[in-house]
Amino acid sequence: AQSVTQLGSHVSVSEGALVLLRCNYSSSVPPYLFWYVQYPNQGLQLLLKYTTGATLVKGINGFEAEFKKSETSFHLTKPSAHMSDAAEYFCAVSVLSGGYNKLIFGAGTRLAVHP
Amino acid sequence: DTGVSQDPRHKITKRGQNVTFRCDPISEHNRLYWYRQTLGQGPEFLTYFQNEAQLEKSRLLSDRFSAERPKGSFSTLEIQRTEQGDSAMYLCASSLSRLNTEAFFGQGTRLTVV
Repeated sequence: AQSVTQLGSHVSVSEGALVLLRCNYSSSVPPYLFWYVQYPNQGLQLLLKYTTGATLVKGINGFEAEFKKSETSFHLTKPSAHMSDAAEYFCAVSVLSGGYNKLIFGAGTRLAVHP
Repeated sequence: DTGVSQDPRHKITKRGQNVTFRCDPISEHNRLYWYRQTLGQGPEFLTYFQNEAQLEKSRLLSDRFSAERPKGSFSTLEIQRTEQGDSAMYLCASSLSRLNTEAFFGQGTRLTVV
């Protein structure tokens, strides 16, 4: 069965530092992978997605993620953190079920950015 | 179109009461999903509609839960005889009927059962 593991429930970085949020997936078929961001008391906003093709995916707000099949990973990075990046980030794998896609989410990583 | 809309944003109810939430998806989206998110966890799948047909229900959706999408547009999620364990954020999402398309989420309804 497909699943997602996010390593580190809390990550804290300084403003301007590199952001690295880790995601490993388990899938018996080529996966579709997503990163979503959630601000307090808000819904989820798509940051980026990987379906096929180029393994380095660029998203909104300067984030990018690289699909590494050999490592079953889809880590999210941003070269320089901003205070506004403080939020919860969810990695998800899309499961094909009965002809439609169902998202399976990781438990999330809360990113704190300090001055 | 302003995206997926959910109402209410917040609901406080006494244990044992019934509650109903509404979701208005993006107008051209024929797929609609309900997820539940408890504190410190990622969203968990509850149910899925293709147009008006409910095609999958999670084991998380007990008999006290029912969801409808009567005309293939908006959807409602009803919880009967609420319990404290029902306290969570209920998220609605919609998408097009393409294989690798992303789901767009609403802002959620936060339910507190006291």
